Amino acid sequence: GNSVTQMEGPVTLSEEAFLTINCTYTATGYPSLFWYVQYPGEGLQLLLKATKADDKGSNKGFEATYRKETTSFHLEKGSVQVSDSAVYFCALRTNAGKSTFGDGTTLTVKP
Amino acid sequence: DTGVSQNPRHKITKRGQNVTFRCDPISEHNRLYWYRQTLGQGPEFLTYFQNEAQLEKSRLLSDRFSAERPKGSFSTLEIQRTEQGDSAMYLCASSPAASGKSYNEQFFGPGTRLTVL
Repeated sequence: GNSVTQMEGPVTLSEEAFLTINCTYTATGYPSLFWYVQYPGEGLQLLLKATKADDKGSNKGFEATYRKETTSFHLEKGSVQVSDSAVYFCALRTNAGKSTFGDGTTLTVKP
Repeated sequence: DTGVSQNPRHKITKRGQNVTFRCDPISEHNRLYWYRQTLGQGPEFLTYFQNEAQLEKSRLLSDRFSAERPKGSFSTLEIQRTEQGDSAMYLCASSPAASGKSYNEQFFGPGTRLTVL
């Protein structure tokens, strides 16, 4: 079956530091890949997505590139802010039905 | 606000009681999904509907769980004879019909947090 493995957290960074959160996947077929963010007390929000190999998703300074050869979709940001503190989830979909999520990585950014 | 709404936001119940949650998707989204999220884990798929048809059910959805979407709009998730292990956040999401290989975004509601005492 499908599965997503995320880098374990929590991750604590200082403001303006570089962020990488690793995500690898196993899937049958050709999945679309997603990063979701969950801020404290709020629901899941789509952060970015990529639908085919070598696509780069980007939003709010975050980027992730769909790497089929390494089955990875690592999330990066060049300079994090305190407001980026949240839980980040990597996910995949292989059809228009269910999504499969990783366990989430908690990011805390300190001023 | 025209996002996905869920009610109630919190529910505390005693073991053995039945509970029902409601999800109102974004208007005209024909797909509706239910997920369960426990502390420290990502959401796990439970079931989904296309219009009023329930197209897939996870093995997580035991006989005590039932979901309906009678008119293809709002959906309800009922848990009968609740157990402490049912304590979790229950998330609902909706999406428009898929087109080609661009899997449309799922829009998530705020969730219903269930605590079974």
